[in-house]
Amino acid sequence: GAGVSQTPSNKVTEKGKYVELRCDPISGHTALYWYRQSLGQGPEFLIYFQGTGAADDSGLPNDRFFAVRPEGSVSTLKIQRTERGDSAVYLCASSPQTGLGSIETQYFGPGTRLLVL
Amino acid sequence: AQSVTQLDSQVPVFEEAPVELRCNYSSSVSVYLFWYVQYPNQGLQLLLKYLSGSTLVKGINGFEAEFNKSQTSFHLRKPSVHISDTAEYFCAVSDSFGNEKLTFGTGTRLTIIP
Repeated sequence: GAGVSQTPSNKVTEKGKYVELRCDPISGHTALYWYRQSLGQGPEFLIYFQGTGAADDSGLPNDRFFAVRPEGSVSTLKIQRTERGDSAVYLCASSPQTGLGSIETQYFGPGTRLLVL
Repeated sequence: AQSVTQLDSQVPVFEEAPVELRCNYSSSVSVYLFWYVQYPNQGLQLLLKYLSGSTLVKGINGFEAEFNKSQTSFHLRKPSVHISDTAEYFCAVSDSFGNEKLTFGTGTRLTIIP
C-alpha cells in the first residue's frame, strides 16, 4: 500500500448529519492537502497541513468544516450539519516536501464521494 | 490570487492524431504551472510541471507543454494519441512566493475515437 488512501470510498448521508472523512497519506509525508471536487469542476483547495498544524485553512467554506491531523500522519475532515451542497468528491493529497516544495510533488488519493440527501 | 481557464470542456480526437488541450492562467505574480490527468475511477496523477528554466516541458506518456508568459498560456500537446489517453485533464497554477496551494481549471475531457 504505497499510495494515499481515503476512507470511505463512498458516503451517503442525510441533510443535517455529521460526517468524517479519513485520509492516510504516504508514510513519511509531512504535507497533507484536502480538496473538494464538485461535479463538472476542478478540485478546489480546502486546507493544507504541514505536520500537525494547519498552515493554511483559507479554503474551508464555513465553520461547519473542520480538519485535524493530531499526530502528523492520518487526517480527518469533519463536516457538521451537512447540506445538499456539500455533495462532492473530497480529495486528499500528500507530499514529502516542506514549504513551497510541497506544491511541486503532490500525490493524490482516489477520493471520497459524499452524497447528502 | 490566481485563476485558470480551460476553454474546452470536451475534446474528441481520432486515435493516432495530434491533440492540444488549452490552458490560460491569470496571476499578478510569477507562477508554477501543472497538468494533472484523472483516469476513470482513479486519483489525479501529475503529467508534467513548469517551475522555471526551459519553457518547453516534457512529461509522462509522451505529453509536453509550453509555457508562454506573454500569452499567459500553458497548452498541453501530444503528437499522436492512444485509446489509453482517454481521461480528464486538469491544468493548475500556484504562485511561486510561498502560497502553497493549487488552483485548478475546470478540466478537459479527452475522448479518443478508434
